[in-house]
Amino acid sequence: QKEVEQNSGPLSVPEGAIASLNCTYSDRGSQSFFWYRQYSGKSPELIMSIYSNGDKEDGRFTAQLNKASQYVSLLIRDSKLSDSATYLCVVNIVGGSYIPTFGRGTSLIVHP
Amino acid sequence: KAGVTQTPRYLIKTRGQQVTLSCSPISGHRSVSWYQQTPGQGLQFLFEYFSETQRNKGNFPGRFSGRQFSNSRSEMNVSTLELGDSALYLCASSPRDQSTDTQYFGPGTRLTVL
Repeated sequence: QKEVEQNSGPLSVPEGAIASLNCTYSDRGSQSFFWYRQYSGKSPELIMSIYSNGDKEDGRFTAQLNKASQYVSLLIRDSKLSDSATYLCVVNIVGGSYIPTFGRGTSLIVHP
Repeated sequence: KAGVTQTPRYLIKTRGQQVTLSCSPISGHRSVSWYQQTPGQGLQFLFEYFSETQRNKGNFPGRFSGRQFSNSRSEMNVSTLELGDSALYLCASSPRDQSTDTQYFGPGTRLTVL
């Protein structure tokens, strides 16, 4: 069973702090990795994609990928109240077919 | 560009009935994927269609089927509905070309089975 694991949280951080969200995956052949944000009652929206080892920055968001450790993370700097949402880690498992596999999500709460 | 659209947004059905959901992808996107989201199981991949062909399939029973038309619009059908089919059904489109396999989600169809 190909799996993507995330801590369900909730992760609570004060406004302005750094939020760190983590994800591990089981399939070493995975090639593409995504972070989506989902507000309650809404559909997921893409925050970041990352394909190579290392860091990728986009505004307040930084995705980090370590394929050797099968680990991908998302850092949110200067957290805002509007960042409160569930963050989904998605790994495109490649094993003869292309199966986007979602983690169960981490609930992030940014408090004043 | 207009986003992914799904119709209807809400549906109420009874056990044993069947249902058809529709998805229109972003213009130019050839791949449409369907997902089921429930509180208990999270987001689960149903299947992907690309150029009118089912390319990938998740671990769901044969009651769940789909198709894609030449204009990339896709439909998903669930036959003999069960209470456990109550869920948010999400459609996502992707260009699925060499540059990216990023998916863009529609607003979803909330299906309630009574």
